[in-house]
Amino acid sequence: DAGVIQSPRHEVTEMGQEVTLRCKPISGHNSLFWYRQTMMRGLELLIYFNNNVPIDDSGMPEDRFSAKMPNASFSTLKIQPSEPRDSAVYFCASSAGTEAFFGQGTRLTVV
Amino acid sequence: AQSVTQPDIHITVSEGASLELRCNYSYGATPYLFWYVQSPGQGLQLLLKYFSGDTLVQGIKGFEAEFKRSQSSFNLRKPSVHWSDAAEYFCAVGVRNTDKLIFGTGTRLQVFP
Repeated sequence: DAGVIQSPRHEVTEMGQEVTLRCKPISGHNSLFWYRQTMMRGLELLIYFNNNVPIDDSGMPEDRFSAKMPNASFSTLKIQPSEPRDSAVYFCASSAGTEAFFGQGTRLTVV
Repeated sequence: AQSVTQPDIHITVSEGASLELRCNYSYGATPYLFWYVQSPGQGLQLLLKYFSGDTLVQGIKGFEAEFKRSQSSFNLRKPSVHWSDAAEYFCAVGVRNTDKLIFGTGTRLQVFP
């Protein structure tokens, strides 16, 4: 398996634009997580899905953030409109119940 | 509430020296505990995990960790550090009956030749 695949690896966008981050989890994993990593706040869990259903979205910072998982092999995290303070590395991870496997992340810069 | 504390933000050691990275957790029951490593520009890779049983856990790359319930600790150790071990290390606690992980703030390890 190729592991958790995230795209794009880097994204630079202007404030106010919509940004969509994509994730393909490891086949057979039934849980998917979106994390955000910043110097100030470390690793924060934004949302997690189990069997494609959002279970806990308490970490989503505000309504500008939304996440979907239309099927077991794909998830998106959307920010609309984006703001400079959203600049961070966003990680997707998947799990089959014992340990989480992380993608390489998307580095988002909002200017 | 569950939480993880890594008291050391940054540690510097010489190559060949021993290493211990500290981790303390707060959790109401027996925790699932993890150590992950993150190299620059990369995602997190699992080093080792503790679910139950033997409190001394062996991981990859020569790392081990010991679960001490009385101290609410899960410190990571390595007897002899290599330059390639320079990275950021994260301790995490898993929330039972979910797959959620709560991470500490990380410890950056620098290795001098």
